[in-house]
Amino acid sequence: KAGVTQTPRYLIKTRGQQVTLSCSPISGHRSVSWYQQTPGQGLQFLFEYFSETQRNKGNFPGRFSGRQFSNSRSEMNVSTLELGDSALYLCASSLWDPENEQFFGPGTRLTVL
Amino acid sequence: AQSVTQLDSHVSVSEGTPVLLRCNYSSSYSPSLFWYVQHPNKGLQLLLKYTSAATLVKGINGFEAEFKKSETSFHLTKPSAHMSDAAEYFCVVSERNTPLVFGKGTRLSVIA
Repeated sequence: KAGVTQTPRYLIKTRGQQVTLSCSPISGHRSVSWYQQTPGQGLQFLFEYFSETQRNKGNFPGRFSGRQFSNSRSEMNVSTLELGDSALYLCASSLWDPENEQFFGPGTRLTVL
Repeated sequence: AQSVTQLDSHVSVSEGTPVLLRCNYSSSYSPSLFWYVQHPNKGLQLLLKYTSAATLVKGINGFEAEFKKSETSFHLTKPSAHMSDAAEYFCVVSERNTPLVFGKGTRLSVIA
C-alpha cells in the first residue's frame, strides 16, 4: 500500500506570492490533516478535512486555506506569503478520525525569501 | 482544552542504557495519548497509542509507555537504547472530535 505522498517536496517563494501544496492520502483514508512545523512553534494544526468538508480548523490567519477533493486528495494554499511562513508542511491521513492512527507524509519544505 | 508538556527538550543516553522521555498532559475528558517519532528528513511515525484499555502500552521497536491518571503522565521508556533510536519524539493528546495537540518534542541523542 502506497504511503502518504506530498508534492512538491521543496519550494522556494518570495514574499507576497502564493503557493499550493498537494497531498495524496493512503487509499481508503478519508480524513486528511495539515500541520505546520517550525523550530520555534513546533507542530501546529492547520486544518482537517473529511469527505470534502473542513471538520476542524486551527488558529491560523485566513491566508491559509485548504480543500479536499472527492478522491480524498487535499490541497492547501497560502496567499500573500510572509517570511514567517517558512516551515515544513506535513500532511497526515487516517481512516475516519485523526484520533485513529495518522500516517504522515514526508512534508513539503517551504522557504519564503 | 487539552495540552501536553514534554519535560525535556533534549535527552542524551549511551547505547545500551535505558531511555526515559517524559510527558505530562492536561485534558478535561478521557484522552487518547500517542507517541510519534520523527527521524531526520522523514515524516512522523506512530510509536504507540493509549485509548483507555491497558495502562501499559507496548509499541514498536521495544518502546512502551505507562498511562498514570493520578500523575497526568504518559512517559515513554525503552530498556536499552540503540543508535537507530536517535530522533525527535513527540507526545500527543487528543480528545474526541478535536485535533491532535503535539508537545514541543524531545530530541533523543544516542552516544556510542
